[in-house]
Amino acid sequence: QKEVEQDPGPLSVPEGAIVSLNCTYSNSAFQYFMWYRQYSRKGPELLMYTYSSGNKEDGRFTAQVDKSSKYISLFIRDSQPSDSATYLCAMSAGTGGFKTIFGAGTRLFVKA
Amino acid sequence: GAVVSQHPSWVICKSGTSVKIECRSLDFQATTMFWYRQFPKQSLMLMATSNEGSKATYEQGVEKDKFLINHASLTLSTLTVTSAHPEDSSFYICSATGVGQKVNEQFFGPGTRLTVL
Repeated sequence: QKEVEQDPGPLSVPEGAIVSLNCTYSNSAFQYFMWYRQYSRKGPELLMYTYSSGNKEDGRFTAQVDKSSKYISLFIRDSQPSDSATYLCAMSAGTGGFKTIFGAGTRLFVKA
Repeated sequence: GAVVSQHPSWVICKSGTSVKIECRSLDFQATTMFWYRQFPKQSLMLMATSNEGSKATYEQGVEKDKFLINHASLTLSTLTVTSAHPEDSSFYICSATGVGQKVNEQFFGPGTRLTVL
């Protein structure tokens, strides 16, 4: 079993839809949770950073962490064609030699 | 926000030659830099972690004599692919974290596409 599981998609939605992207994990020591967006042939860009459980909102993006279920989500409201990209979840237990583990990435297509 | 650059953005070389890729943090001091490899439609594969002034720590299965990493300053790390072969063709991405960043907050460079003929 992988430490982090993420459905690779692709996920195709119409413009304006609410998008839900998810990751599950097995390591209960993870405390830091990130979402990255990666456009084709580009480096990943940090979208959301969350410590421990709870919600965080930034514009059209909302990140949720449920540590009891070992489940994290990224919601995108009013999705736009420019949101079409691969979204990677990432998580870590902290510093001192703890690595950041990345999910496989979910490919999202938002159709105009 | 924190900016990380990579150079070159793409490179084509002949089999057997060596290629150097530079990763620079432009507006912060990068105490730790990471090098990743990414194949098409796959996630990031961590190759090595380098701390400024120290030897890099390589992941299992990554040949340290083939992928030479140097992190001589707080703003520059280099990856040299020695005696490159076609199977080394890939997208190489660096990331950095350091002074002023949150725990495990990595900022990625734009990547370097290496094609070995």
